[in-house]
Parts: sequence; C-alpha cells; structure tokens
Amino acid sequence: GIQVEQSPPDLILQEGANSTLRCNFSDSVNNLQWFHQNPWGQLINLFYIPSGTKQNGRLSATTVATERYSLLYISSSQTTDSGVYFCAVEGAGGYNKLIFGAGTRLAVHP
Amino acid sequence: NAGVTQTPKFRVLKTGQSMTLLCAQDMNHEYMYWYRQDPGMGLRLIHYSVGEGTTAKGEVPDGYNVSRLKKQNFLLGLESAAPSQTSVYFCASSGPDRGFYGYTFGSGTRLTVV
Repeated sequence: GIQVEQSPPDLILQEGANSTLRCNFSDSVNNLQWFHQNPWGQLINLFYIPSGTKQNGRLSATTVATERYSLLYISSSQTTDSGVYFCAVEGAGGYNKLIFGAGTRLAVHP
Repeated sequence: NAGVTQTPKFRVLKTGQSMTLLCAQDMNHEYMYWYRQDPGMGLRLIHYSVGEGTTAKGEVPDGYNVSRLKKQNFLLGLESAAPSQTSVYFCASSGPDRGFYGYTFGSGTRLTVV
C-alpha cells in the first residue's frame, strides 16, 4: 500500500521563527490533507490540498502531486502552534480513506 | 455547534469485557470512519462506512465490529476487549461538501484495557 513519510519527526522553534514540514508519499494520490493535533489531542483539519498551493493566515501548504510531496509552511510561529502535524493521503479504493504519516511534533517556546 | 460527537470520552475495561463507542455527526456527511491512535504513531483506520447501512474493513479491523443503522451515527463495538486495544479512538466524517472532502474529527475516546 501507499507509504507516507513525514520529516522532520521533531522540531523545536523559538516564537517568531518560520518552519517547513515535509510529507513524501509513495504513489499518486487524489486527496491529501494536513492536520494539527493540539496538546489536548484535538485533531483539526488545516488543508485539503491534493495539488497546488493554499494559504490560511500564517499557514500555507503546497502539494506537487507529480513529484509526490507536500510542504506545510508555518510563518511567525506562536506557542499555540505547538502539537503534532499530520499529513494524510487517500489510500487504495477511494472513499476518502486516509493513510496517515507518523507526524511531526512541533514545540514552540516563548 | 455542527460537528462530530463521541461518547464516552474515557473508559477503563477489564480484559474480556465488551463495550460500544458512539459517534454522531450533524453535517449530513455520507462517509464516516473509526481510527485508532497509539503513542508516537499516526492514526490507523479500523472500519469505515460510505452510507447508511454500509460498513467496510480498514487497515486494522480485527477485534472490532461496526454498525451504521442511521446516517448520522456510527458505532464501534469491542466484543471481548484485550490489552492490545488500549488506545485513543477517533471518529471522523467527510462530505463531499461542494467538492471539499476534508475530515471533521470527534474529540476522541481514551480506552484503557486492564
């Protein structure tokens, strides 16, 4: 089945710094989503981005489907950005079944 | 508020006991999913449903059963709980909503099997 690899596994930033998180996937996909899991465990959908670029405030994402990777950019990081960021892609058989990467754990210090 | 509601939020079971986790969504989504999350790992799909009355197996279905008798509800059952089923369970639903297939997750159920 499709493999999803995220890097780096851990990231520590000072407040105000910028960062780039990467997601590589092993096969072509119709659906890619980024999620943020906050320290209380809640999962929030950040982007639905099978291709192209989207921006939402200080966050933006780019998916290059032909090269099988996606990037999540966080600018001017804040302590509230801390948590785990997951990339997920649609697996075989459709129906929006997502295969998740292992995540990037981000800690933003004041 | 629109969204996905999971009950209960916490539960401790003894090995061999059974229980049912309830997921309810009020967004009229067709697709619903049950995932489990183990420490330091991403989420893994247990079962899913593409509409009322339908269910299908995901990556890790063994030891679990599901039912979707009503479109808004998706139940996950553990017939005979085992310590290996200690995990955090998340329910999710998705559209499409005008071409958007983004997931909405519930807040999770933390299950401990002793």
